[in-house]
Amino acid sequence: EVQLLESGGDLVQPGGSLRLSCAASGFTFTSYAMSWVRQAPGKGLEWVSAISGSGGSTYYADSVKGRFAISRDNSKNMLYLQMKSLRAEDTAVYYCAKDVIVGGGRWFDPWGQGTLVTVSS
Amino acid sequence: DIQMTQSPSSLSASVGDRVTITCRASQSISNYLNWYQQKPGKAPKLLIYTASSLQTGVPSRFSGRGSGTDFTLTISSLQPEDSATYYCQQTYSPQTYSTPPWTFGQGTRVEIK
Repeated sequence: EVQLLESGGDLVQPGGSLRLSCAASGFTFTSYAMSWVRQAPGKGLEWVSAISGSGGSTYYADSVKGRFAISRDNSKNMLYLQMKSLRAEDTAVYYCAKDVIVGGGRWFDPWGQGTLVTVSS
Repeated sequence: DIQMTQSPSSLSASVGDRVTITCRASQSISNYLNWYQQKPGKAPKLLIYTASSLQTGVPSRFSGRGSGTDFTLTISSLQPEDSATYYCQQTYSPQTYSTPPWTFGQGTRVEIK
């Protein structure tokens, strides 16, 4: 069974930093791109970042570019999101998701249970 | 960036009703459109990928249609467990591989009367 388990969410002050982790199991981790998607309280879904299976290609939403860094450790089946210069608007539940890419199509399945990041003084 | 607009924002229907949610893209996205279901306090769950392909394990009362800019998600006979928020997502690929950002619609909340 494919499982994704996020951790690292916390209360952090504006301007602070935080690293989220996502532990993957049940599939060949290195064969799949991975994404982070966030959801602010009571709001919709926002794609944040993605990384290729090898880790050689990374992608970011404009809202986090230059402040967040996605990475992965394929030897440990771990995905990370390093967040710095955090703002109140970064407050959200952060989900990791496995990217399924077939032909030109791409979808996210499954998703982890999410970890809450709160940016507040 | 490609904008995704869902309608309605919310709806209330009775058990057994046929329910249709619409998703419109700001430009043509071929069939690179996915649908997710999210229940309160839970992670999103994939229902439909590439506009009309039903994810394994998803009940057949869910179906998707569309291409280009206009898409629909239909629940043929609404069940109590279908109470949730539904999101569309585009993963358009003008080249061989889809390029971000992969935007979501704002969501449609479905309630049971």
